[in-house]
Amino acid sequence: NAGVTQTPKFQVLKTGQSMTLQCAQDMNHEYMSWYRQDPGMGLRLIHYSVGAGITDQGEVPNGYNVSRSTTEDFPLRLLSAAPSQTSVYFCASKRGRVGDTQYFGPGTRLTVL
Amino acid sequence: LAKTTQPISMDSYEGQEVNITCSHNNIATNDYITWYQQFPSQGPRFIIQGYKTKVTNEVASLFIPADRKSSTLSLPRVSLSDTAVYYCLVGPSTSGTYKYIFGTGTRLKVLA
Repeated sequence: NAGVTQTPKFQVLKTGQSMTLQCAQDMNHEYMSWYRQDPGMGLRLIHYSVGAGITDQGEVPNGYNVSRSTTEDFPLRLLSAAPSQTSVYFCASKRGRVGDTQYFGPGTRLTVL
Repeated sequence: LAKTTQPISMDSYEGQEVNITCSHNNIATNDYITWYQQFPSQGPRFIIQGYKTKVTNEVASLFIPADRKSSTLSLPRVSLSDTAVYYCLVGPSTSGTYKYIFGTGTRLKVLA
């Protein structure tokens, strides 16, 4: 299994541009989530999904959209990039059972100029 | 939502046992306690998880008192490679919304 994969690894955007960060998992996990981590800080939950077709907001959802059309994929869309969205973005997945652990991807480092 | 509080940083020497305590006063009945380790430029990695009493695996032990309002991660005989940030996570959450919220983490530095 590849686990949780994220693309791209690095991205530079200009203010106002839009883009999609990709996340995929091959473990048939129901639960997927997106976090952002600013330099020297902890992880903050952006959006999450408990299954295909079901998404919900986390702590910091503004400026981001998600969709979950398949179990495997959970893309994160930045609608109009702002410098405040410069961060490292981590995707995670877990099985739907209470007590199962989350598995994290390697991250995408995004810089917005 | 169950919020966690941890010390911001800790220093230790190689070979010592390190105990990191996490406070989670409003933990819910169906919440588990999970600890993650994160190295720079990497995603968090699962260390250990528990619900009550004591859990031990090949890398750590987790102690949870009867009231479950706190937990302690114990790392036996740390080495330089254990220098990392350690996060305590409580979830799925009091409302069952599956919002897994990370705290600020504890930055552990192991000295030679």
